[in-house]
Amino acid sequence: AQSVAQPEDQVNVAEGNPLTVKCTYSVSGNPYLFWYVQYPNRGLQFLLKYITGDNLVKGSYGFEAEFNKSQTSFHLKKPSALVSDSALYFCAVRLNTGGFKTIFGAGTRLFVKA
Amino acid sequence: DAGVIQSPRHEVTEMGQEVTLRCKPISGHDYLFWYRQTMMRGLELLIYFNNNVPIDDSGMPEDRFSAKMPNASFSTLKIQPSEPRDSAVYFCASTHDRNRNSPLHFGNGTRLTVT
Repeated sequence: AQSVAQPEDQVNVAEGNPLTVKCTYSVSGNPYLFWYVQYPNRGLQFLLKYITGDNLVKGSYGFEAEFNKSQTSFHLKKPSALVSDSALYFCAVRLNTGGFKTIFGAGTRLFVKA
Repeated sequence: DAGVIQSPRHEVTEMGQEVTLRCKPISGHDYLFWYRQTMMRGLELLIYFNNNVPIDDSGMPEDRFSAKMPNASFSTLKIQPSEPRDSAVYFCASTHDRNRNSPLHFGNGTRLTVT
């Protein structure tokens, strides 16, 4: 069964510092990987997705993600955090065969302190 | 592009009542998903449709839950009878099938409170 793990419930970082939100996955096959962000009282918004061949993926709002096949990880990064980045972040996985079933991690709350 | 539209935004009902949540996907999208979000269980996939046909309903918690998609522009999620443990935020999302890494587009959700 496919699963996604976000080991940290919360990440705290000071504004201007780099941030990392961790994600590991367990699937039988090669998955498609995504990051989404959720602001209060809103639906999830797409940030970026893994594209085969690019271990470092760039997305919206200065975010990027590093794919590591051997560690089955897809960590979200940003070189310099902003207070406005404070939100709930979700990693998601979809198998590259069969249906479009998309499974989400539990989410990581990011707090960026001024 | 109006995005995925869900209604109502908030629903408060009493235990035992029927609840119907509605979703209008983005025009041209072939896939529609229903998710439930709670603090305890996170974001759970309930069911998803492709071209109006249910593909995977393994996440539907029990027979009290049912979902339909009578046409490409409308879907409903019904709970009958509702129970307090159904209280959650229910999200609808849609995407197209032009490539397998197409991201989901979410609505703003329906916050359901069952008292």
